[in-house]
Amino acid sequence: NAGVTQTPKFRVLKTGQSMTLLCAQDMNHEYMYWYRQDPGMGLRLIHYSVGEGTTAKGEVPDGYNVSRLKKQNFLLGLESAAPSQTSVYFCASSRNYLDRYEQYFGPGTRLTVT
Amino acid sequence: LAKTTQPISMDSYEGQEVNITCSHNNIATNDYITWYQQFPSQGPRFIIQGYKTKVTNEVASLFIPADRKSSTLSLPRVSLSDTAVYYCLVGDSQAGTALIFGKGTTLSVSS
Repeated sequence: NAGVTQTPKFRVLKTGQSMTLLCAQDMNHEYMYWYRQDPGMGLRLIHYSVGEGTTAKGEVPDGYNVSRLKKQNFLLGLESAAPSQTSVYFCASSRNYLDRYEQYFGPGTRLTVT
Repeated sequence: LAKTTQPISMDSYEGQEVNITCSHNNIATNDYITWYQQFPSQGPRFIIQGYKTKVTNEVASLFIPADRKSSTLSLPRVSLSDTAVYYCLVGDSQAGTALIFGKGTTLSVSS
């Protein structure tokens, strides 16, 4: 049982490049989330999904897109990376609506945009 | 939105009990109080959750007074490995599943 895994662990992009971050969970959780964490800050929610095929915007969605084609995977895309998107990205999942406050986090992806 | 306020940092020594208080004056009736722990370069980890009175698990205790405008996370006999950032969150029922993470409390435990 690997829990929540994220790919890649590190990435450096040039401004304007695109990339996709992959999150996978093997706990059969319904809900999945993408957060970003900047130095000295708490986590901010980017997008989330309450089930396969559904996504919703969080607190800071601009510049990002997401997809949840399979229940176990949640993809975060950056179409045209900007230096302001330099951050650590965390994926999380939770079992269902009743347990939405108990989220399981992945190890994070450290992204640098130059 | 139910904002939370907690101390920026706290210091302790090994073996002491640590109490971190969080204030959430605008907590809604249906909101739960949740605490997470985060080590450097790792994702946050769920510690404990409660609605009222007291909740205890193998890691910590959570005390919530009757008015629910604050809560206290209690860590018994801390060790060096408890050095981390601790986040107090209040579930935002209006936003559905969104948890609002603040800046947390950095706990430093010394020997």
